[in-house]
This record gives sequence, C-alpha cells and structure tokens, in this order.
Amino acid sequence: DAGVTQSPTHLIKTRGQQVTLRCSPISGHKSVSWYQQVLGQGPQFIFQYYEKEERGRGNFPDRFSARQFPNYSSELNVNALLLGDSALYLCASSRGQLGTYNEQFFGPGTRLTVL
Amino acid sequence: GIQVEQSPPDLILQEGANSTLRCNFSDSVNNLQWFHQNPWGQLINLFYIPSGTKQNGRLSATTVATERYSLLYISSSQTTDSGVYFCAGGIGTGGTSYGKLTFGQGTILTVHP
Repeated sequence: DAGVTQSPTHLIKTRGQQVTLRCSPISGHKSVSWYQQVLGQGPQFIFQYYEKEERGRGNFPDRFSARQFPNYSSELNVNALLLGDSALYLCASSRGQLGTYNEQFFGPGTRLTVL
Repeated sequence: GIQVEQSPPDLILQEGANSTLRCNFSDSVNNLQWFHQNPWGQLINLFYIPSGTKQNGRLSATTVATERYSLLYISSSQTTDSGVYFCAGGIGTGGTSYGKLTFGQGTILTVHP
C-alpha cells in the first residue's frame, strides 16, 4: 500500500509570495494533519481536517490556511511568506479519530526555503 | 496545551550497547507515539502506545499513563539506529479531535561502529 505522499519535495520562494503544498493520505484514511518542523526542533501542529472539516488549529497566523477535498487529499496554503516560514512541512494521515484509528502516519515532507 | 519533555537530548553509543529514552508529559494523553526521523526528514512510526508495553524486534516501549511518562528501549544498537527519536502525545475530549500531536524536542542518537 502506498504511504502518505506530498508534493512538491522541495520549494524555493521569495518573501511575500504565496505557496500551496499538497498531501494525499493513505488509502482509507479520512483525517489529515499538517505540521511545521524548523531545524533542530520537533514538528509543530498547524491544522487537522477530518471528513473535510477543520477539527483543530495550532498557534499559527491567519496567513496559514488549509482545506480537505472529497477524496480526502489536502492542501496547505501560506500567504505573504516570511523568512521564518522556511521549514519542513509534514503531512500526516490517520484512519479516524478514535482509539487506534488515531495513529498518525507521516509523509516525506516538503522542504520550503524562503529567500 | 500539554508539554512534552524528552531525555537525554543527545546520546552516543557503541554498536551493541543498550539504551533507554524517556518522555514525560505535563498532562494525561490519549494518543502517544514514538517516531524515528531519518536524515532525510521522514518520520517512521515505531510505536503507538498510549498505555502498556509493546515490543518490535530490538525495540520495546512502555507507557505508564497514570504517571505520565513513556520509555523507549533500544537493545543491541546498530549504526542504522542513528537519528532523532521523537515522542509525541495528544489529548482528545468528547467528540473533538484527537489529531493534534505535541512533540518533544527529540533525542539525537549516534551509534558508532
């Protein structure tokens, strides 16, 4: 079975630009979460979507937004990029929200560099 | 939100040695996972273990939920075990999301041949 896939793998943008990152969950998984990992730190939660609805939001500015599509894939959008947005962006999927269904599996990430 | 503290921050071993990594939580969690992050950034699932003990080959984990800590044991370490180990926990209440994982700062493990 294919794991979580993310695109693109690498991205270079300049300050002020906008970026869209994409994630496809494991087949049969209905929940997608997004995390930001800056160098030397653990991942930080940005959003969770379950059944196409936002179910959780981390402490990130409104420049960050996301959505989930009917096929459960997801996009993360970041507007007005800042240098501090440079990070590895990780997507995770899980089957659902209850018990062992909540075990999260991560994709390979998108490495974003803002110049 | 919950705080997650991992220890030690760095660990250097000779191949064949055993090690114990610890994760403390500031509050009870419903979801607890251990991950190994490889040099390319991929987070690899090791254990889903909100309570109890599990074993997978040379790795095992124990979570004592009532005391809010979890331990990851690595026996007979190999150079391929090198990397960053993260624990992460989450809290869910009622029908709301369990999806937020809060990560610790990680333990950097280096295994020398």
